[in-house]
Amino acid sequence: KQEVTQIPAALSVPEGENLVLNCSFTDSAIYNLQWFRQDPGKGLTSLLLIQSSQREQTSGRLNASLDKSSGRSTLYIAASQPGDSATYLCAVEYNFNKFYFGSGTKLNVKP
Amino acid sequence: DAGVTQSPTHLIKTRGQHVTLRCSPISGHKSVSWYQQVLGQGPQFIFQYYEKEERGRGNFPDRFSARQFPNYSSELNVNALLLGDSALYLCASSYLRDSYEQYFGPGTRLTVT
Repeated sequence: KQEVTQIPAALSVPEGENLVLNCSFTDSAIYNLQWFRQDPGKGLTSLLLIQSSQREQTSGRLNASLDKSSGRSTLYIAASQPGDSATYLCAVEYNFNKFYFGSGTKLNVKP
Repeated sequence: DAGVTQSPTHLIKTRGQHVTLRCSPISGHKSVSWYQQVLGQGPQFIFQYYEKEERGRGNFPDRFSARQFPNYSSELNVNALLLGDSALYLCASSYLRDSYEQYFGPGTRLTVT
């Protein structure tokens, strides 16, 4: 059974800090891993997609890494801002656009 | 270009009723997937349709069904609603059948009373 776990469940940091969100998955035979952001009551916004052959992807202040052998991915956010406050979800794709999601990390960046 | 759109935004139904949720994918996208997100949890996969055929199904009862139309829009139907069906229903589209980035709509908030 494919399971995706995200740690921590919640995180509160002061503005300007660099932070790391963790995602682990039980089955290493993945196609892709995608990080999303979700604001309260809203849909999901795609942040980064890492294909199985890649080790990392970067977009602005965000960097996501993938280690298939250990079943882990991290999302690094540099110089956090209050606008980064949201829930961050990790999703692992095993086949045919079928994604397994973690429960998310709720991030609060304090001004 | 417009993103993925879903309708209605919010919906309140009574136990035992039927509901239909609608999704329009991004123009050119042929794959549509449906997810259920219960409060405080990550989305759970319900269905995937590609080129109007069901290509994947999650662990949901037969009360849940879906279809995709020739214009690639999709409907999710839920019969005999239960209180536990209350959730945010998300639709996602992608260009290819597999191994490609998914784009999510804003979701439909369903409340069953």
